[in-house]
Amino acid sequence: GEDVEQSLFLSVREGDSSVINCTYTDSSSTYLYWYKQEPGAGLQLLTYIFSNMDMKQDQRLTVLLNKKDKHLSLRIADTQTGDSAIYFCAERGGYQKVTFGIGTKLQVIP
Amino acid sequence: NAGVTQTPKFRVLKTGQSMTLLCAQDMNHEYMYWYRQDPGMGLRLIHYSVGEGTTAKGEVPDGYNVSRLKKQNFLLGLESAAPSQTSVYFCASRRTDGSSGANVLTFGAGSRLTVL
Repeated sequence: GEDVEQSLFLSVREGDSSVINCTYTDSSSTYLYWYKQEPGAGLQLLTYIFSNMDMKQDQRLTVLLNKKDKHLSLRIADTQTGDSAIYFCAERGGYQKVTFGIGTKLQVIP
Repeated sequence: NAGVTQTPKFRVLKTGQSMTLLCAQDMNHEYMYWYRQDPGMGLRLIHYSVGEGTTAKGEVPDGYNVSRLKKQNFLLGLESAAPSQTSVYFCASRRTDGSSGANVLTFGAGSRLTVL
């Protein structure tokens, strides 16, 4: 079955880069996603990558995909206090199903 | 454009009581989902719908029922609430990005339910 794993917590200083990692098990995943959840709010899509791509860049965000190792990472350059949130990795695998990781809480220290 | 709206935002129930959570979307999306979010568990899919009049079970459907009588609404019901159903519930609707084919979920703000 599908499974998505993430570390629970990451702390970085403002201005540094953050790297959030994720591993997944479903080799048939077509798309992999990063969602952001701010306190008291729902999840918002940050970015996604198609499974035949290695990298996608979107302003301060860089997504790297290693399909062989089933490893996905999200790099946030010049991390700001407004980036403090929970970040969810998700994969689109089986029929109509998107599987989420447990979320990584990013704490940005001023 | 409101997106996905969930009501109520907060509710406290006693064990055995029933209630319905309402999800409404104004984006004409076919697919809608109900998830629950618990500490250390991430989001787990309860039920989903691929269109008006259809529903299907997700990962954790027991104790919940759903209905999709109108395309814009997806209702989640608890017939006899249990403390194990204390959670934050999120509704989402799905669109397919026209250029990439990626499925993109739009989430509501969540409904926090406490069962005593």
